[in-house]
Formats: sequence, structure tokens, C-alpha cells
Amino acid sequence: SQQGEEDPQALSIQEGENATMNCSYKTSINNLQWYRQNSGRGLVHLILIRSNEREKHSGRLRVTLDTSKKSSSLLITASRAADTASYFCATAGSGNTPLVFGKGTRLSVIA
Amino acid sequence: DTGVSQNPRHKITKRGQNVTFRCDPISEHNRLYWYRQTLGQGPEFLTYFQNEAQLEKSRLLSDRFSAERPKGSFSTLEIQRTEQGDSAMYLCASKSGSSTDTQYFGPGTRLTVL
Repeated sequence: SQQGEEDPQALSIQEGENATMNCSYKTSINNLQWYRQNSGRGLVHLILIRSNEREKHSGRLRVTLDTSKKSSSLLITASRAADTASYFCATAGSGNTPLVFGKGTRLSVIA
Repeated sequence: DTGVSQNPRHKITKRGQNVTFRCDPISEHNRLYWYRQTLGQGPEFLTYFQNEAQLEKSRLLSDRFSAERPKGSFSTLEIQRTEQGDSAMYLCASKSGSSTDTQYFGPGTRLTVL
């Protein structure tokens, strides 16, 4: 079963704009991870945020986590056409347990 | 390239046939996970190993599915008597036992059952 729900399901923006994707989950977590998937390919890990962290940055990515609301957001700044992909959030109850994924957000960045 | 490899990348089979997929994790990773992903959905957990021990199996893993990791290195996932509903992308991920909680995914095996 899927724990997370990403919002929106699909997002289309112009190159150079920022893209924000949201994720909500249901149970307590140890960490939350964001992955990117290009069409028909495997998942690429983007960033991990632990339950005791509120915000993390990696390059053009910014992730926030609000455990009281059981939600996270992924911001991609200055988007590029190459950012076109599906983005998934995944939660883990502990460091080694299987990940529980949401249904993903399909991002299209138009040049 | 994450360092996790899967073979074959694509498999087309007829209903009722058996298929086997292989996953080679990053060499020092002792945890290995199998997930299944259908079109438009996120990956769903199937099973996972710590070294050669299979620690957890999802309810999605019917008795037609079996997974092994005999020497704690590569793993195989076999589906017997395939059904059209088995058509999906099968993803493998591996993880170090300690230093990081990140799972690294392979490119997947896309199965089509005709």
C-alpha cells in the first residue's frame, strides 16, 4: 500500500521557474527521501531528510519536513528541461525498513 | 549509474511461463530490496534481505513469487506461472548496513506478460 500522497499529480512549468511538490504521509517516520525517475528508468536518489530535521538543501533542491503535519515539500529552483521527470517521496519507519512510496508528481519543464 | 545492476532489462513472456530476474547490488551493501512498480504508480515493496537472510515479505508476494540471495551478494526473483497482472517494472535496491539510510536503485527489469 502507498503511504504518501504527492501533490500535485502533474505540474507543467516554464524553464527558469521554480517547481514545488508536496508529500503527505500517514505514520511516524525515521526519515523521508525524495527520488527522481525518468520515463522507464530506475529511481535516482535526490535527498534524505531525517525526522529531527526541518530543512535541507542540495544544489537547486530544498526539502522541508513538518512532522506535526506529516508533510514534506520539495522545491526545485531555476528549473531546466532536464528536470522533466516523475518525483517520488518515500518514507522509512527506521533506517533499514523498506521504503513506502507515494504515487509521484510528474513534472514537465518546457524550454 | 548507481552501481546496482539488473538483468535482463526487458522480458516479454507468455502467460503461464516462469521468469527469473537478477540483481547485483553495490558490493559492500548487505541489504537488498525488491520493489514492483506498475504504470502511473510509485514502487511497492516486495521483499528484502540482510545478507542471505530474507527478513520480510510483503503480502504482494504471492506463493508464485520466490526470491533468494544465496551468498549474500546477488539476488534472484522468480515468478512462476506468470499472469498478465504480473506485468510491471521490477526494481532492486541496495543499502549499506550502517553509514547511510539511502537505498540505491537499479535500472529495473520491465516484464510484459502476453
